[in-house]
Amino acid sequence: RKEVEQDPGPFNVPEGATVAFNCTYSNSASQSFFWYRQDCRKEPKLLMSVYSSGNEDGRFTAQLNRASQYISLLIRDSKLSDSATYLCVVNTNAGKSTFGDGTTLTVKP
Amino acid sequence: NAGVMQNPRHLVRRRGQEARLRCSPMKGHSHVYWYRQLPEEGLKFMVYLQKENIIDESGMPKERFSAEFPKEGPSILRIQQVVRGDSAAYFCASSHSEDTQYFGPGTRLTVL
Repeated sequence: RKEVEQDPGPFNVPEGATVAFNCTYSNSASQSFFWYRQDCRKEPKLLMSVYSSGNEDGRFTAQLNRASQYISLLIRDSKLSDSATYLCVVNTNAGKSTFGDGTTLTVKP
Repeated sequence: NAGVMQNPRHLVRRRGQEARLRCSPMKGHSHVYWYRQLPEEGLKFMVYLQKENIIDESGMPKERFSAEFPKEGPSILRIQQVVRGDSAAYFCASSHSEDTQYFGPGTRLTVL
């Protein structure tokens, strides 16, 4: 079993749709959690950190469920520019980051 | 404030040659991480370094690969006697502490 698992997709949605990505992790000692996006094999860019209480940044909402070892990302009112691969990242307290393989989103007009 | 710098951006090597990839972290960052992304695959952790120390190299292949982060200068990922299977994008990331990582643009290595 992979340490961090994501549904690879692809998710194909129309503009304006709401889409949700899920991520599960196996290491219960994981300390911090992030979502990154990666465009066309360029470098990953930080989208947002994920906090225990859940957090929102504009159209993006991230949630963490430590009991179920589960992280989610919700994108509302999808834009064409949201098309990318979304990477779930889990850090241990030893500084090691484990990346999921990513979920591919394509937003169509 | 410059971001993470990597060079070269593209590197072509013949089988058996050596590849040296360089990474300069963001100003003020003392933690460096190297990742490899094979075609059509996800990012795989290779090694985590702090100045003059390898903290975690659990993702490094046992042979031909080495990494360093000297007191002065960039971090270097060195691949000896490259093979075609080493062709990939190699990303470096840096952080201030063991937390949020910021990525460089990557080095695309092609082995002929």
